[in-house]
Amino acid sequence: GQNIDQPTEMTATEGAIVQINCTYQTSGFNGLFWYQQHAGEAPTFLSYNVLDGLEEKGRFSSFLSRSKGYSYLLLKELQMKDSASYLCAAMDSNYQLIWGAGTKLIIKP
Amino acid sequence: IAGITQAPTSQILAAGRRMTLRCTQDMRHNAMYWYRQDLGLGLRLIHYSNTAGTTGKGEVPDGYSVSRANTDDFPLTLASAVPSQTSVYFCASSEIPAGGNEQFFGPGTRLTVL
Repeated sequence: GQNIDQPTEMTATEGAIVQINCTYQTSGFNGLFWYQQHAGEAPTFLSYNVLDGLEEKGRFSSFLSRSKGYSYLLLKELQMKDSASYLCAAMDSNYQLIWGAGTKLIIKP
Repeated sequence: IAGITQAPTSQILAAGRRMTLRCTQDMRHNAMYWYRQDLGLGLRLIHYSNTAGTTGKGEVPDGYSVSRANTDDFPLTLASAVPSQTSVYFCASSEIPAGGNEQFFGPGTRLTVL
C-alpha cells in the first residue's frame, strides 16, 4: 500500500534550526512535495524534489533520498511565524499526491 | 487576483440533505482536485479531473460526485449528507497532472453534518 510517515508534533526555539523527517512508500514515484499550512488556512507550496540531494530556498531546504524513501525539510533561523503544520506528500505513478498527516511545529520564544 | 475560490466558507447541514460545494479557478489550470482534511489524517483525495470533460475517483469517492463542464469550475456534490462527511474540504488545481507541478489550494469549506 501507499504510506507517508512524519512526526505528529515538534517543538523548537526561535532562532534555532529544525529538521522534519518524512518517509514514504508509493506505487511509482514522481517527486516529493512539502507544503506549509497555518491553522485554519489552506496549504501553500514550499518545495519539490525529484532527484536525490538538497534543494535550498532561503531559510528552507529540502532533501531527498529516493533509494531510502526518505525526505526532510530543514528550517533555519526559526521565526514565530514558522509555527504551522508541515505536510509531506509523494506523487505516485498516476501523478496523484499521497499526503502525510502533517507535522505541527511549535516555536517557542 | 488569480487563484481559487470556494463557496460557501462554512455550512451546517442536516443529515440527508443534498449539498454542492463550489470551486472556481481563474488560472486556466487543466487539473483540479477535491480533498477532505480530517484531524490526524492527511489530505485525502475524493475526486479529480485531469482536464475539462473528464473526472476520476480518488481514495474516498463514496457519497460524492463531481462534474467538469468547463476549465474553471469543479463543483462537488453530496447527494445525501451523512455525519461522517463532516470535514474541511479543499479544492486545488495544477497546470497539468504531472511531476513538478505544484497544486494551488482554495481557502476551504468547513462542513458540519448533523
